[in-house]
Amino acid sequence: ETGVTQTPRHLVMGMTNKKSLKCEQHLGHNAMYWYKQSAKKPLELMFVYNFKEQTENNSVPSRFSPECPNSSHLFLHLHTLQPEDSALYLCASSPGTSKTGELFFGEGSRLTVL
Amino acid sequence: GQNIDQPTEMTATEGAIVQINCTYQTSGFNGLFWYQQHAGEAPTFLSYNVLDGLEEKGRFSSFLSRSKGYSYLLLKELQMKDSASYLCAVSTDSWGKLQFGAGTQVVVTP
Repeated sequence: ETGVTQTPRHLVMGMTNKKSLKCEQHLGHNAMYWYKQSAKKPLELMFVYNFKEQTENNSVPSRFSPECPNSSHLFLHLHTLQPEDSALYLCASSPGTSKTGELFFGEGSRLTVL
Repeated sequence: GQNIDQPTEMTATEGAIVQINCTYQTSGFNGLFWYQQHAGEAPTFLSYNVLDGLEEKGRFSSFLSRSKGYSYLLLKELQMKDSASYLCAVSTDSWGKLQFGAGTQVVVTP
């Protein structure tokens, strides 16, 4: 059982909808991440939060809006998405202070934009 | 820019050995990770190398040469359950900021 839980696992939405992805980590970590995984492409880092503060926005379009209310929870708010935004969205956490920087991933939210 | 290259797909038979190569060019280096990802599942940690040399963990071994920007993951005594995508990733800081390759799909045949 993963220590990082993502909901929903699957989401289908129209281009005018507003939805949110949720991530919760039970590992006591201080850093949380959103990654996008598209078929045949490398995982793309979207956002990084360290101690609830956003430390990286990797040129992500404003139709993706992250929120990190505390070190255990991370949201990705979605609005007016495009079909090319269809992908697997992976949340991850890391201790933030370890030497290795190992990431622990959730199982992802599979998003389909119609 | 950042560049991490690995083959797209490899096929091998059960019981055989497969070596997945990864070359990288990144702006920082704090270690190299290998992750395994089965279809529809989360990537899971396999190995971490920060110093040159070979790290062995059961059937899996990982090698790093920092001067050559090169790593490989060696899978021995292949089993059907090893069919998965293997992701090479370079850590560019100590907080978990990883740059990933596109992954190598390993297909194990009977």
